[in-house]
Amino acid sequence: SQTIHQWPATLVQPVGSPLSLECTVEGTSNPNLYWYRQAAGRGLQLLFYSVGIGQISSEVPQNLSASRPQDRQFILSSKKLLLSDSGFYLCAWAANRVLHFGNGTRLTVT
Amino acid sequence: AQRVTQPEKLLSVFKGAPVELKCNYSYSGSPELFWYVQYSRQRLQLLLRHISRESIKGFTADLNKGETSFHLKKPFAQEEDSAMYYCALNNYGQNFVFGPGTRLSVLP
Repeated sequence: SQTIHQWPATLVQPVGSPLSLECTVEGTSNPNLYWYRQAAGRGLQLLFYSVGIGQISSEVPQNLSASRPQDRQFILSSKKLLLSDSGFYLCAWAANRVLHFGNGTRLTVT
Repeated sequence: AQRVTQPEKLLSVFKGAPVELKCNYSYSGSPELFWYVQYSRQRLQLLLRHISRESIKGFTADLNKGETSFHLKKPFAQEEDSAMYYCALNNYGQNFVFGPGTRLSVLP
């Protein structure tokens, strides 16, 4: 069966520091992969999605970037974090137009 | 542009009462609509999708193309239904658009 792993679960980083959040999917090949940010009262904001290795679509221009170095690996990065980057980040993969989410990462930028 | 609205941030009902979580969307084509749910300390997960026409955990949702709505209903709410509910839209492409969410609180 397919599973999705996302880590770390929580992260506290100072302003200006780099970021790397990792997501891996098991049990499927060539999945569509997504990074969302969940903010209270604002729902889920799509940040990036990928339909294959090296293929990244950015939905919202901001201080973040994404990479897909392997078929089942999706990484969310930042070179210098801002206070506004704090939030809850969700990775997901799609099958048959249904999204399957990871447990999320709570990022606090101090 | 695709957009999903959920007018209620918080909805409180008593156990056994009917519940309706509202969802409206704006899209020029014929999208697929979904309801996702996030229970406390659990992952966000699919509750139901309009093409399945299923009742899941007693919940149903009917797509009304004339009113561009996809309201979620349950005739008798249970305490375990307390959760965050998100309405979402997919245009049969790669993108999924979510509403802001409604927190349902079922009181004993």
